[in-house]
Amino acid sequence: EDKVVQSPLSLVVHEGDTVTLNCSYEVTNFRSLLWYKQEKKAPTFLFMLTSSGIEKKSGRLSSILDKKELFSILNITATQTGDSAIYLCAVERRYGGSQGNLIFGKGTKLSVKP
Amino acid sequence: DAGVTQSPTHLIKTRGQQVTLRCSPKSGHDTVSWYQQALGQGPQFIFQYYEEEERQRGNFPDRFSGHQFPNYSSELNVNALLLGDSALYLCASIYRSNYGYTFGSGTRLTVV
Repeated sequence: EDKVVQSPLSLVVHEGDTVTLNCSYEVTNFRSLLWYKQEKKAPTFLFMLTSSGIEKKSGRLSSILDKKELFSILNITATQTGDSAIYLCAVERRYGGSQGNLIFGKGTKLSVKP
Repeated sequence: DAGVTQSPTHLIKTRGQQVTLRCSPKSGHDTVSWYQQALGQGPQFIFQYYEEEERQRGNFPDRFSGHQFPNYSSELNVNALLLGDSALYLCASIYRSNYGYTFGSGTRLTVV
């Protein structure tokens, strides 16, 4: 059965700390791995990773994928209170030649204290 | 450019009733997927629509059905509501073989 496992499930840090969120997966017909940030309702897109070893960066956030070991990490440096959210990892399955469904982990709830 | 819009934002229904949720995809997107997110869980795939046909389906009972219209908008219907159907229902859209879905803000369904 396909699965995506995130760890830790929750994390409390102080402003300025650096955090690493983990995502491991066992999914057939892998197409891509995506990270989303969910603050209230709509998950908002952070990164999409398709190739191993290539780091994606956006400001203080970065992510990398290891397709051999089947995991990804999301790093957030110099955390701010606005980073408080649930971070969702999802693996997209390939469906024929195009996109398939997303399989999500349970998410990591990050709380950043001032 | 409007993103994915869903309606209504909140809904309260009684067990046994039927509900219809609506989704307008992002402009230019032709594929719509629906997800159910229970409290404290990640979203779970319900089904995907492309060219007005259900193309993929997750492990949800037949009480969950959908439809896609020629303008790519979509509906999710749930019959014979159960308490366990209480969740945030998310719609996501994408254009064909592009990467990365765009999500709407969801409909919070409460079944009492």
